[in-house]
Formats: sequence, C-alpha cells, structure tokens
Amino acid sequence: EAQVTQNPRYLITVTGKKLTVTCSQNMNHEYMSWYRQDPGLGLRQIYYSMNVEVTDKGDVPEGYKVSRKEKRNFPLILESPSPNQTSLYFCASSWLPLAKNIQYFGAGTRLSVL
Amino acid sequence: GIQVEQSPPDLILQEGANSTLRCNFSDSVNNLQWFHQNPWGQLINLFYIPSGTKQNGRLSATTVATERYSLLYISSSQTTDSGVYFCAEPGIIQGAQKLVFGQGTRLTINP
Repeated sequence: EAQVTQNPRYLITVTGKKLTVTCSQNMNHEYMSWYRQDPGLGLRQIYYSMNVEVTDKGDVPEGYKVSRKEKRNFPLILESPSPNQTSLYFCASSWLPLAKNIQYFGAGTRLSVL
Repeated sequence: GIQVEQSPPDLILQEGANSTLRCNFSDSVNNLQWFHQNPWGQLINLFYIPSGTKQNGRLSATTVATERYSLLYISSSQTTDSGVYFCAEPGIIQGAQKLVFGQGTRLTINP
C-alpha cells in the first residue's frame, strides 16, 4: 500500500530540547516536502527536496533543518524548539513533475512546545 | 505565483442536504487536488482532477481549467462529512516548488 509515514503522531516537549520528526515514503518519489499548519495561516511549506542530497527552503524554514540522505526518508529536525513551533506538521511526497502528479500526505504530527 | 481562493469559508447544513464548494485560481490549472481534513487533523485525498468531472460515491468534483475554477459537490451530507475541505494546485512561489492551498471551507453537518 502506498504510504507516507510520519512519526511520532503526537509530541509534547519543552523549549530547547532537540527533536526529530521522521517521514518515510514507499513509492520511490523524488519529491518530498514538509508543511506546517496553523490556525488562520493555512498550510505553509517549511522545506522541500527534489531528490537525494537536494533540499531547498520553503516559506518558513527558520528554526528547522532537514536532510535527504536516502530517497525514502526526509526527517525534520528542530535543534532548539520554541513555543512558536507548536503546530500541526505534514510530510508529503510525489513523483516529478509536480504539475502532473499527485502529492501524498502523511497523517500529521501534532507538536506542542512548552 | 498562483493564488487559490475558496468559497464559502464556512458552511453549516443539516444532515441530508447537498452542498457545493468552490475553488478559484489566479493562474492555469494543471493538477488540482481536493482534500478533506477530518476532525483528527488528517488530510485525506479526495480527488485529483486537473480537468473534467469525477465521482466517488456521494462526492463529485468538476474542474473547468479554461475558466480556472473547480467545484466539489457533496450530496446527502452525513455528519462524518464535517471538517475542512481544501483545494490545492502545484506552483512555484519565489522559486519554491510546492502545493499552493486555498484557505479552506469549514463544513459542519448537524444531525
């Protein structure tokens, strides 16, 4: 079954404690992306990757890091989380070009930073 | 870059009613997707519909690419249809390749 898997689904942490949200897809997609969703602000892109070792900034990259060492994995790293990173996070993946392919989304990670 | 507008922002209906949600685009439509975000926050793919009409049970969608809009129809609404519906189109905004989402339509179906 085609899947984008995010872990954890829920996370409560404290300011400054490094964390990683994992994302894995089993469809051999070249493109992967992270979005955050906040009330009144909609979904905003954090980072995306067009292929292994190729990553680029989205709308709101500050405070986040990503890596793409393998095609299937695209972890989101918060080196020093702050309360303004409390949000609902989604990972997505797709074949390229985006204009001709569906983007598949993970189930979301609800993060609270205290 | 492309802009996506959805209407209405909110819709409250009784169970059994029909509804129409609209999505307007500022640029050409290539790869429109409709999503349902359920109360648990999950984004569920409903349709991939760059043009034409598709049906899936009580839901159907129509995209008129030349006029830059898409419609999502929900017939005989059920309480489980409640949630936020998004349309999205891939675009390149300030060099970043992404799905550009509308602000969503919040649908509430009352029993």
